[in-house]
Amino acid sequence: SAVISQKPSRDICQRGTSLTIQCQVDSQVTMMFWYRQQPGQSLTLIATANQGSEATYESGFVIDKFPISRPNLTFSTLTVSNMSPEDSSIYLCSVAPSSELSYNEQFFGPGTRLTVL
Amino acid sequence: EDQVTQSPEALRLQEGESSSLNCSYTVSGLRGLFWYRQDPGKGPEFLFTLYSAGEEKEKERLKATLTKKESFLHITAPKPEDSATYLCAVQARRNYGQNFVFGPGTRLSVLP
Repeated sequence: SAVISQKPSRDICQRGTSLTIQCQVDSQVTMMFWYRQQPGQSLTLIATANQGSEATYESGFVIDKFPISRPNLTFSTLTVSNMSPEDSSIYLCSVAPSSELSYNEQFFGPGTRLTVL
Repeated sequence: EDQVTQSPEALRLQEGESSSLNCSYTVSGLRGLFWYRQDPGKGPEFLFTLYSAGEEKEKERLKATLTKKESFLHITAPKPEDSATYLCAVQARRNYGQNFVFGPGTRLSVLP
């Protein structure tokens, strides 16, 4: 299994500002993902962070709002840009060691709890 | 549109009282169905992956089964430490994106 850490664990931000969330894994992994979990709801996949190329965004999410970096196989960042209260959520990073089409396991980080005032 | 629903929304059991959680899905081309456990304030923890109808997997007191339209997570003789939210997710076959869709979860409480 992989050990995943996220920074910050929580933050309170003002409307219109941006926040960058970091995800660090203790081993090299092929696939890294970013999810959002809004209060009382389930997880929604935002994008796949690809090492050395642009992230692949799911329907409804765009790079301008959620720019993602992945400079190497153990680290990624997600930025939430021009925040509004609707962006208040828990943001989770996950990794999958396998690059096969069906991912047997995803390991999730502890999440970053974001509140936008 | 791919959809995942779970029932019941919440379930309260006495220790030792076996039960099942349901996950119903609508997807055009199932790549895999996943069960996760999520404790409060933590990220989901992987339990099982099922790929085809008729498949079953077991882990301790948990057993997951899959049909063409739904999956069941059977909990045998649960203990208080089994209390958590259980999430079901599907991955659909698409040409773009990873297409993971999570259900809303079932909150399980096991009382001693």
